[in-house]
Order: sequence, then structure tokens, then C-alpha cells
Amino acid sequence: DSGVTQTPKHLITATGQRVTLRCSPRSGDLSVYWYQQSLDQGLQFLIQYYNGEERAKGNILERFSAQQFPDLHSELNLSSLELGDSALYFCASSGQGSNEKLFFGSGTQLSVL
Amino acid sequence: DAKTTQPTSMDCAEGRAANLPCNHSTISGNEYVYWYRQIHSQGPQYIIHGLKNNETNEMASLIITEDRKSSTLILPHATLRDTAVYYCIVRVPFNDYKLSFGAGTTVTVRA
Repeated sequence: DSGVTQTPKHLITATGQRVTLRCSPRSGDLSVYWYQQSLDQGLQFLIQYYNGEERAKGNILERFSAQQFPDLHSELNLSSLELGDSALYFCASSGQGSNEKLFFGSGTQLSVL
Repeated sequence: DAKTTQPTSMDCAEGRAANLPCNHSTISGNEYVYWYRQIHSQGPQYIIHGLKNNETNEMASLIITEDRKSSTLILPHATLRDTAVYYCIVRVPFNDYKLSFGAGTTVTVRA
């Protein structure tokens, strides 16, 4: 158990809909990262937050947004969903002052039908 | 990020050592070598990292060549549970916040 909690584990929705994925980092970790893993793209970095502020942005679509709340949990919002958004979405966290190790959650499997 | 090159796949016999190579010929002086693995559809798991000295922990050993252009991850006694995709990543900690995953090496441990 990495200590990172992601909910829900599975999500099935239709095209055009909007969903929210939730992540609770390990206790005390200030950084949260979001990754997308699809069959043809591998693990792609989306975005990172540190203590509530966006720190780095990767290949995140404009239809996607994220935020980190004062209690350090994070949400990834995906809107106007398309079939190609079907993927595993992972959240990871790392500790203050240490970017050495990222601890990943078990992921949310999103299926857009 | 410096790019890494890993074999696409490899097999290993259960109980034997698994040696996973990684080439990172363009690595810069302040970049570390990290290894993660992903067991089928689970979240990636940190294994080990190092700068230039060999490292060992409870999971594996990391051997980095003197010129730092390549490294080898050693799983000393592979078990069936070690079947996974293994990723070799180079990055500067405390600066490059993200991990950039490549295709990795699919390791299959056979009984």
C-alpha cells in the first residue's frame, strides 16, 4: 500500500460528459502529480501541484483541469469526454523537499462509451 | 530529460538473478538514475535510484558504470511476483518534478 488513495477505482460514462477523479496523497506529502496511461501512449505526465499551487504542466488537454485543496487532496476534472479519454489515471505524491520518490495510487480506470 | 534505452522484453527463471540493462549515454552530471516498475495495471512502484555509486536496498541493486552512460538493475532472486514492466528514468531531483516514463522493459519471470 503506497498510502495514496484514489477514488473511484472504476468509472464508466458517456461521451460529452464530465467526471471528477479524486486523490488523497500520503500523509504529509505536499506534491500531487497526475498521470494518464492509455494503451497506445504509455504513462503520460499531466500536471503537478505543490501545496495548492500548480507547479508543472505536461500534456494536459484544455478540457482537463485539476486543483489541490487546502487539505492537500486533489481533483482532476475531465469534461466533454471523448472515446480517446478512456485510460487509467494515476495520482502520485511526494514529500516536502524531496522529489526523489513518487508514490503512486492504484489508479482510476475511466471508460468512455 | 536525458533519454534512456531499454530492451523491450526479457525472460528470467524464478530464483535466478534478473539483470536489466539501461543505456543513458547523454546523462548529465546532476541527473540521477531511477528505476520504477509497474505490475499489471497497478500504479508504478519506486525501486531504487542512484547518482554514480552502486546502490542496494531490500528490493534490488543498482550498478552504474563509471562513465555513467549505462546502468543495470539487479533483482537478486526473481520471483513470479517480479513479473512487471521496469522503467529506467534519468532526472534531476528537486528540479525536474515529473517522471518521464518511456516504454520500459517487460520482464517475465517463469517458473
